[in-house]
Amino acid sequence: DAGITQSPRHKVTETGTPVTLRCHQTENHRYMYWYRQDPGHGLRLIHYSYGVKDTDKGEVSDGYSVSRSKTEDFLLTLESATSSQTSVYFCAIRADNQPQHFGDGTRLSIL
Amino acid sequence: RKEVEQDPGPFNVPEGATVAFNCTYSNSASQSFFWYRQDCRKEPKLLMSVYSSGNEDGRFTAQLNRASQYISLLIRDSKLSDSATYLCAVSGPYNFNKFYFGSGTKLNVKP
Repeated sequence: DAGITQSPRHKVTETGTPVTLRCHQTENHRYMYWYRQDPGHGLRLIHYSYGVKDTDKGEVSDGYSVSRSKTEDFLLTLESATSSQTSVYFCAIRADNQPQHFGDGTRLSIL
Repeated sequence: RKEVEQDPGPFNVPEGATVAFNCTYSNSASQSFFWYRQDCRKEPKLLMSVYSSGNEDGRFTAQLNRASQYISLLIRDSKLSDSATYLCAVSGPYNFNKFYFGSGTKLNVKP
């Protein structure tokens, strides 16, 4: 398996609280991605990074922010979680001109 | 209109059958194409890249039809273990580092 670790694997929290998800890679790949997966919508890109401190928005970036201060870590933050952000979140990594490989996912429930 | 569309299925086939899925994409400028397999409550795993000339990996064959803007996946001699959801991924038309996923096609292989 690609060296990707997502944490936490599961989280339950309340509406209005901040939440940070972490993606850690040991592959030294340039690109890192955050997706959410919901029934009927498939995987939708939230944000991605193309280098340290270099990020760009995806299709569903509203309500989310990201940071990448080191090659190996890509953080996804929900500043004030809402119930509509209940989802499964996947991180992916990618080397230049290669396919993406995914982490195990984080199941996030916001009550 | 969605960037990438797939028939959600399910496709219910007997063991040993041949089954094919298509995935249509909306932008002719897309450059990279992939098939992923996703088991229930697991992360997507790369099945194969799709090359312009078509490519084969064992029982799996992927094809790209640029004129009609679709990719296909053919599975021969289906096994019970092929039961999963198959996702297609297409690179963005203007940003080849962004990817769009279909919602997936569910395959059930029956004994």
